[in-house]
Amino acid sequence: TAGITQAPTSQILAAGRSMTLRCTQDMRHNAMYWYRQDLGLGLRLIHYSNTAGTTGKGEVPDGYSVSRANTDDFPLTLASAVPSQTSVYFCASSDSFGELFFGEGSRLTVL
Amino acid sequence: ILNVEQSPQSLHVQEGDSTNFTCSFPSSNFYALHWYRWETAKSPEALFVMTLNGDEKKKGRISATLNTKEGYSYLYIKGSQPEDSATYLCAFPYAGNNRKLIWGLGTSLAVNP
Repeated sequence: TAGITQAPTSQILAAGRSMTLRCTQDMRHNAMYWYRQDLGLGLRLIHYSNTAGTTGKGEVPDGYSVSRANTDDFPLTLASAVPSQTSVYFCASSDSFGELFFGEGSRLTVL
Repeated sequence: ILNVEQSPQSLHVQEGDSTNFTCSFPSSNFYALHWYRWETAKSPEALFVMTLNGDEKKKGRISATLNTKEGYSYLYIKGSQPEDSATYLCAFPYAGNNRKLIWGLGTSLAVNP
């Protein structure tokens, strides 16, 4: 079972360029999330989606946008990347019990 | 400021030792408390989602208890094995929204064979 698939696994990006991190799930979970993980700060929620067609802001949404056109896909877009967006990004979905299922992560370096 | 605190930050034990660590969270407006296990170079995996005061959950050698009145949860590992080496994270919903979790920084456990 694939679960959550993220792409790319790693990327180096020039500042000012745009980038979309892709996330696909095959578990038919309603809720999906994007987190970033930074040393000493732990996991921080960027955006989430309760169900297809809806999105919400998390703890650190500035500089990021998301869309949820269908149940399976939840892409995260950086319109104009800045070095402070260098991080490891995790996509996740949750089942009816609230348990989160995470992807393998996408390491992004903005130079 | 909403905060989730975990202690200790790191722990080294010998194979066979039993160990426990703590997650502290705000006791007001409790909704749920999550525990996750995060092995190096992998992604976090759910251990427990706890919702009831006094609840105790168990998965193999790992168990957790919950005290919502005083705002803490304990995670216990009985007879630690090297494969238990990981970072153990707890998380707490904020703003009355179970989709928005505040995460602790974790307890890093190393089990020496």
